Amino acid sequence: DVKVTQSSRYLVKRTGEKVFLECVQDMDHENMFWYRQDPGLGLRLIYFSYDVKMKEKGDIPEGYSVSREKKERFSLILESASTNQTSMYLCASSLTDPAFFGQGTRLTVV
Amino acid sequence: AQSVTQLDSQVPVFEEAPVELRCNYSSSVSVYLFWYVQYPNQGLQLLLKYLSGSTLVESINGFEAEFNKSQTSFHLRKPSVHISDTAEYFCAVSDWGSSGSARQLTFGSGTQLTVLP
Repeated sequence: DVKVTQSSRYLVKRTGEKVFLECVQDMDHENMFWYRQDPGLGLRLIYFSYDVKMKEKGDIPEGYSVSREKKERFSLILESASTNQTSMYLCASSLTDPAFFGQGTRLTVV
Repeated sequence: AQSVTQLDSQVPVFEEAPVELRCNYSSSVSVYLFWYVQYPNQGLQLLLKYLSGSTLVESINGFEAEFNKSQTSFHLRKPSVHISDTAEYFCAVSDWGSSGSARQLTFGSGTQLTVLP
């Protein structure tokens, strides 16, 4: 089975902190994605990567950046966390379809 | 860009009753369709998918969905629900997106299914 692992289930950070969310997949997938999930809005794509060191903006990239130095790892970075970035963050990976998801990281910014 | 509409945000239903969760998407060529399920405090799990072939697809736990190209719909149905089916259900569409570099999933806003005893 595909395994997508997010490093933290719950995080609490202060406004202005730099925050790293890590995601690792074990199936040699080319594509990796970061979504945020908010009630009533479903999942919205922040960034995705289709190869090492390649990245593209999704629908809501503002306030975020990403890093993919190795194929199995895709990091989401909040350069200066703000309270409106409090959310559930979900990582996914895929070779073709479908995409497989991690358990999610619930981030609270206070 | 694709858009996915799940018209019902909340669907309460009694145990053993039938249920339908509706999903409509904006028209495009070469779309793949999915239903994902999310149990409380967990990530998303793939429930079923339509890639090609038969327009009726089934899951191992009794759900089915039918791809209707003319109505651009992919409604999810189950003839008899259980308490354990209580969860949030997301419809998603996959296409190549504007850059063409990878297939991307666009999600609906989700439907909370609550099965009552």
